[in-house]
Amino acid sequence: AQSVTQLDSQVPVFEEAPVELRCNYSSSVSVYLFWYVQYPNQGLQLLLKYLSGSTLVKGINGFEAEFNKSQTSFHLRKPSVHISDTAEYFCASSSKAAGNKLTFGGGTRVLVKP
Amino acid sequence: DADVTQTPRNRITKTGKRIMLECSQTKGHDRMYWYRQDPGLGLRLIYYSFDVKDINKGEISDGYSVSRQAQAKFSLSLESAIPNQTALYFCATSDFGLSAYNEQFFGPGTRLTVL
Repeated sequence: AQSVTQLDSQVPVFEEAPVELRCNYSSSVSVYLFWYVQYPNQGLQLLLKYLSGSTLVKGINGFEAEFNKSQTSFHLRKPSVHISDTAEYFCASSSKAAGNKLTFGGGTRVLVKP
Repeated sequence: DADVTQTPRNRITKTGKRIMLECSQTKGHDRMYWYRQDPGLGLRLIYYSFDVKDINKGEISDGYSVSRQAQAKFSLSLESAIPNQTALYFCATSDFGLSAYNEQFFGPGTRLTVL
């Protein structure tokens, strides 16, 4: 079974500073990786996804992530955060073998301070 | 209007009561999913349905049942609610196609509290 580990449960960061959220996944032959964001009192919204091809993936709101197969990681980064980036972020994986089902990490809560 | 809606948005109930959470979608997707979210555990899959006649258990189906009344509707039931079923519940939908992966779209969630 697939597993996804988010190494930080909370990340406080000052406005306009960079942020990195760490995610490691269990290895699979063909893995698909995702980052979702959950703003307060809302559902999940897809930030970006890696299916194949370029290992650097750009998403919405200035976020990007890098797929690293040797380290089984898919870390999310943003060079300069805004107050509005305060949210919970979830890393998730899937695969053809998993039939489109998602396995989520435990989430990382980002608090952007002024 | 939202593409994936869930009712109710909030519910407080007592141990032993039967509860139904409903999900409707206007996206025309075949596949629907129910997840629960607990702090520190992320989202875990309860049940999923790939079409009206196809229902499958997820990783934490014990204590839950589902009904796929139509392509657009997928209900989750707790036959006899217990306090550790207190959680945030999400419905999601996805299309079926030949692409590598079909994105899941999430509803706004139902916050359920079992006293």
